[in-house]
Amino acid sequence: KQEVTQIPAALSVPEGENLVLNCSFTDSAIYNLQWFRQDPGKGLTSLLLIQSSQREQTSGRLNASLDKSSGRSTLYIAASQPGDSATYLCAVGTGTASKLTFGTGTRLQVTL
Amino acid sequence: EAGVTQSPTHLIKTRGQQATLRCSPISGHTSVYWYQQALGLGLQFLLWYDEGEERNRGNFPPRFSGRQFPNYSSELNVNALELEDSALYLCASSQHRGQLAKNIQYFGAGTRLSVL
Repeated sequence: KQEVTQIPAALSVPEGENLVLNCSFTDSAIYNLQWFRQDPGKGLTSLLLIQSSQREQTSGRLNASLDKSSGRSTLYIAASQPGDSATYLCAVGTGTASKLTFGTGTRLQVTL
Repeated sequence: EAGVTQSPTHLIKTRGQQATLRCSPISGHTSVYWYQQALGLGLQFLLWYDEGEERNRGNFPPRFSGRQFPNYSSELNVNALELEDSALYLCASSQHRGQLAKNIQYFGAGTRLSVL
């Protein structure tokens, strides 16, 4: 059974700082990994998708890497802004069922 | 282009009642997924529909059911509501064309179900 863990559970940083969020998974037989953000009480916004054959993806200030063999992914956020404050979730697609298994998230607060 | 839309936004029911939640996928998407986000439990996969058929379900009792209509919209029904069914229910859609690795799921804003 796939299990996804995210560390840290919560993080507070001052504006402008670069930061890294971590995601680990137990079953390396994944077909992709997605990073999402969730604002309080809202749905999910897809940030980046990394296919199993890829090592990283970039979008603006965001960079996500994937090391499938070690079961790890990181989300790097450059020059953080208060608007980045949200919960960040990683989710892995495993097997043929087309379902995602989610981590418990990292709650990020960027302070002025 | 409209995103995934869910209705209602909020739903209040009492124990034992039935709840019906609705989801309209992004135009052109044939797959619809339902997830439950209960407080302290994280996001749990509920159901996956594709081309009108249920393709997979998560570890939930049979009183959680649904269907997908010919226009690819979907309903989630929860019968005999229990207090622990209180949660945010999220719907997602994707273009499921067999290329799982490229399968991005796009989420709606959710329906918050409160069972009293």
